Amino acid sequence: KNEVEQSPQNLTAQEGEFITINCSYSVGISALHWLQQHPGGGIVSLFMLSSGKKKHGRLIATINIQEKHSSLHITASHPRDSAVYICAVRRGSNYKLTFGKGTLLTVNP
Amino acid sequence: NAGVTQTPKFQVLKTGQSMTLQCAQDMNHNSMYWYRQDPGMGLRLIYYSASEGTTDKGEVPNGYNVSRLNKREFSLRLESAAPSQTSVYFCASLEGAGSPLHFGNGTRLTVT
Repeated sequence: KNEVEQSPQNLTAQEGEFITINCSYSVGISALHWLQQHPGGGIVSLFMLSSGKKKHGRLIATINIQEKHSSLHITASHPRDSAVYICAVRRGSNYKLTFGKGTLLTVNP
Repeated sequence: NAGVTQTPKFQVLKTGQSMTLQCAQDMNHNSMYWYRQDPGMGLRLIYYSASEGTTDKGEVPNGYNVSRLNKREFSLRLESAAPSQTSVYFCASLEGAGSPLHFGNGTRLTVT
């Protein structure tokens, strides 16, 4: 079993829909990152969480440390949100991250 | 403010050739990383440098060497390229434990 599991692997939505992407991990962590990668493009950091919830525009990230689970929500989705969303976890004070395989989101107009 | 700059963007090598991927960051970050990204595999750590003067192996270091030339620059060298090293390579940097990762735009390498 991978240390970091994302679901779903692929997600197709209509513009305006509420999107949820999930990340589960099997080890104790000190931080969790959500990243975005557009097709053929670079990787951008969206959030870094160690507890609770963070919001930036239409994006919301939550984490439940006890359940070892995080969610990334997108409200009022738009075609420009189409990208791969990647979850990554950091253990302890080690600066190395372990990455999930990503969720490919396609938002149709 | 350029962030993390990687060169080249694309490269085609023949088996056995060597090359160096360059990475530089202008954010005064201590930690720098080299990852490879393959379809269905996620990002995998090749080497990292927690601070200037130190380097450590990641998950998939075989066939690669690195140099942390100074605080800004962290290069990745393939001494004898193999088709299994065909991948997209990303450099990243991090200021500290509570900070986000900053990625370069990637290098798409094909080894024939």
